[in-house]
Amino acid sequence: QQQVKQSPQSLIVQKGGISIINCAYENTAFDYFPWYQQFPGKGPALLIAIRPDVSEKKEGRFTISFNKSAKQFSLHIMDSQPGDSATYFCAALWNSGNTPLVFGKGTRLSVIA
Amino acid sequence: DGGITQSPKYLFRKEGQNVTLSCEQNLNHDAMYWYRQDPGQGLRLIYYSQIVNDFQKGDIAEGYSVSREKKESFPLTVTSAQKNPTAFYLCASSFLGAYEQYFGPGTRLTVT
Repeated sequence: QQQVKQSPQSLIVQKGGISIINCAYENTAFDYFPWYQQFPGKGPALLIAIRPDVSEKKEGRFTISFNKSAKQFSLHIMDSQPGDSATYFCAALWNSGNTPLVFGKGTRLSVIA
Repeated sequence: DGGITQSPKYLFRKEGQNVTLSCEQNLNHDAMYWYRQDPGQGLRLIYYSQIVNDFQKGDIAEGYSVSREKKESFPLTVTSAQKNPTAFYLCASSFLGAYEQYFGPGTRLTVT
């Protein structure tokens, strides 16, 4: 019930292409869905997040698409660059921020020239 | 310079020794969290604290202990009872009731 399932485990994309990472959840009480970006040896950094009252949020080349009825959300990275190569984690939160985040297992993205 | 600091960055210990990882924040955040990261496992919650002198177990608390004597500090002790302590440990913090959670740079612990 508390899990967030993330796919794929790893992804290789050509420079300039679109990277797509998907997540699914079961708990309908989740009310905040962030994505974190982590470079090797560093802590995760908040990249972009969405609330369930909107279906899409865009910040620069990064877009979250949210499908409430399917209980799925995804991260799209447009015009992927080698500097985007990192591990990406989706997560979910409920109870208005008074509980810890529940994380997916991560996707290792490699953008090749 | 505001943020979350974790020290040391790398830590080496012999099996059977307890070790304490430091986490300090000057963001005035109420809640603090400890996660463990292993390859392919994502981030797993060890302990969290929402207020001084109070903390709750996460999903993998066995073999770990914490204290929260000050708002800005949340040290994690990895005890000899933790069977596989070698991992990357991440501390995070947030305001209570806020969604955004911020992470420190992590401590890589190696136990041999």
